[in-house]
Amino acid sequence: EADIYQTPRYLVIGTGKKITLECSQTMGHDKMYWYQQDPGMELHLIHYSYGVNSTEKGDLSSESTVSRIRTEHFPLTLESARPSHTSQYLCASRDYNEQFFGPGTRLTVL
Amino acid sequence: GQQVMQIPQYQHVQEGEDFTTYCNSSTTLSNIQWYKQRPGGHPVFLIQLVKSGEVKKQKRLTFQFGEAKKNSSLHITATQTTDVGTYFCAARYSSASKIIFGSGTRLSIRP
Repeated sequence: EADIYQTPRYLVIGTGKKITLECSQTMGHDKMYWYQQDPGMELHLIHYSYGVNSTEKGDLSSESTVSRIRTEHFPLTLESARPSHTSQYLCASRDYNEQFFGPGTRLTVL
Repeated sequence: GQQVMQIPQYQHVQEGEDFTTYCNSSTTLSNIQWYKQRPGGHPVFLIQLVKSGEVKKQKRLTFQFGEAKKNSSLHITATQTTDVGTYFCAARYSSASKIIFGSGTRLSIRP
């Protein structure tokens, strides 16, 4: 079982709220990723990091931001949530070969 | 940008039938990985293929990497209900590049 954690697992909020989705891993991996995924659909890379103080935008345009102040922690923030942000958000970290995914946060914006 | 095409998008089979999903790239890959995501779950790593023409087996699952390292397949023999889920390929074009996921093949099974 991978040591990568996401909180909260489920979140229902109103439009305009600021939220932060937490992701932590205890494997010491430098590379970490955030994906957005609608149920059963493809994974869209929204942010990634190759180490502390390194963050890049992914392939899918996103109104979120990330930070990487510590190796183990890679939070994602939405400054002003909208209904179009309703989705599942998956965090992952990678060793040389394999990506380990967290359990995901299911976000619903009303 | 670089893309990995995965087909089919959906496959519905009778339990006991075989299943295959394919991934194709227009350029040579460094390696390819396969992941399985159960309904409501998160993707879980299955295997990585690196060598040209490589074939690996895990029980009823057979993974192949093409000779030109531009395509790969996952074949499941005699599907069971526990095989239900979405199967993703994930490719890298070099050792330094990001992993690029295919769009996934969703497998459903009639008991």
